[in-house]
Parts: sequence; structure tokens; C-alpha cells
Amino acid sequence: ETGVTQSPTHLIKTRGQQVTLRCSSQSGHNTVSWYQQALGQGPQFIFQYYREEENGRGNFPPRFSGLQFPNYSSELNVNALELDDSALYLCASSGGSGASDEQFFGPGTRLTVL
Amino acid sequence: AQKITQTQPGMFVQEKEAVTLDCTYDTSDQSYGLFWYKQPSSGEMIFLIYQGSYDEQNATEGRYSLNFQKARKSANLVISASQLGDSAMYFCAMREGLKAGSYQLTFGKGTKLSVIP
Repeated sequence: ETGVTQSPTHLIKTRGQQVTLRCSSQSGHNTVSWYQQALGQGPQFIFQYYREEENGRGNFPPRFSGLQFPNYSSELNVNALELDDSALYLCASSGGSGASDEQFFGPGTRLTVL
Repeated sequence: AQKITQTQPGMFVQEKEAVTLDCTYDTSDQSYGLFWYKQPSSGEMIFLIYQGSYDEQNATEGRYSLNFQKARKSANLVISASQLGDSAMYFCAMREGLKAGSYQLTFGKGTKLSVIP
């Protein structure tokens, strides 16, 4: 069983640029959640996708957008990058037949905005 | 809005000793769930233990146990027989319901645990 994977591992961008982060969910999972973890803080919920539809959203501006594909992998897009967007972005997958309530996290993408 | 408070930024424990990491929460929901995650320096969040608000007994998973005191709104993690590999950040989190029966997690700021040989 393949776990949650994320790409890229690290990324450096400059202010105003756009970035796309990718997440492959664990086999059999149909729900993907994205979290932002700033340095020294706990993760904060960005949004969740369930069967290709947005299922909930945290307190993030519209320049944070997402997508989920038919194979349940997902993308997080951030437009007009700001310095404060520098963080570890975590993706978590859940759901599937006989699944528990647990959200399984990927290793994260560390984004640095200069 | 739900809130998780972890008041210990850092903790030290001697190898093989037990340690308690504190977590208090605030919610107006009657039904809720509490999680503890471990985050090594590699960044991945590792699920440790879960406690439902209606669970009558405190959750246990191997060396991890959760001291759940509902009236005090606390859900402290107890790690017994600490090992060097337990050195990491530990996060307490609460589930908040979304559509389609799913949920989001609200995390505390975390506690950095250092195990001393």
C-alpha cells in the first residue's frame, strides 16, 4: 500500500509568483485535506476535497485554490505569493472502504518565498 | 470556534522515564474527537492516538495513553518508558465536522519533546 506522497519536497519562489503543489492520496482514499504550517506553529486547515468537490475551507484568501482529480490526487495553487506564504504545506488523505477516521499525512512541501 | 491550547513549548525527559504533555481544548460541541500527532524533524505528521468525547475509557496505544478529563476539558498525552526516538514535536488536535461526514483538524502550537540519554 503506497502512502501519501507530495511533490516537490522543497521550492523557492519570489513574491508575486504563482506555485502549484501536488499530492497523491493513499490508495483507496477519496478525500484530501491541505494544511499550512508556518515555522513554530501548528498546521492550519486550508481546504478539503472530497470526490473532486471542495468539501470545506479554512480562513485563507481566494488566491489559495485547489483541485482534485478523478484518481483523487490533488493540487494546491497559490497565486500572487507573499512572504508570509513561506511554510510547510501538508497534505492528508482519508476515507475509502472500511477506513478509520484517521487522516494520513504526507511528508510535506517546504515553500520559501523571497 | 474550537481552540486547542498547549502551554508547554518544550519539555525534557530522561530516557526510560514517563512524560506528560498537556493539552486543553475549548468547544461548544457535545460530540468531538481529540488526536495527538508526532512530527519528527522530517516534517511528516504521525498519528499516535485518538479519543472520542463519548468514549468511556481513556485511549491507549502501546506506550501512549491519553488522560482525558472531560469536565476540565483536558486531553493530556502520557508517554511511558521514553525512548530517544520520541524526541520530536507533539501536536494535540481536535476534529471539526465538515460536509459529507468528513472533518478538519484544528491543531495546537505543539510541544517540543527532547529525550535525554
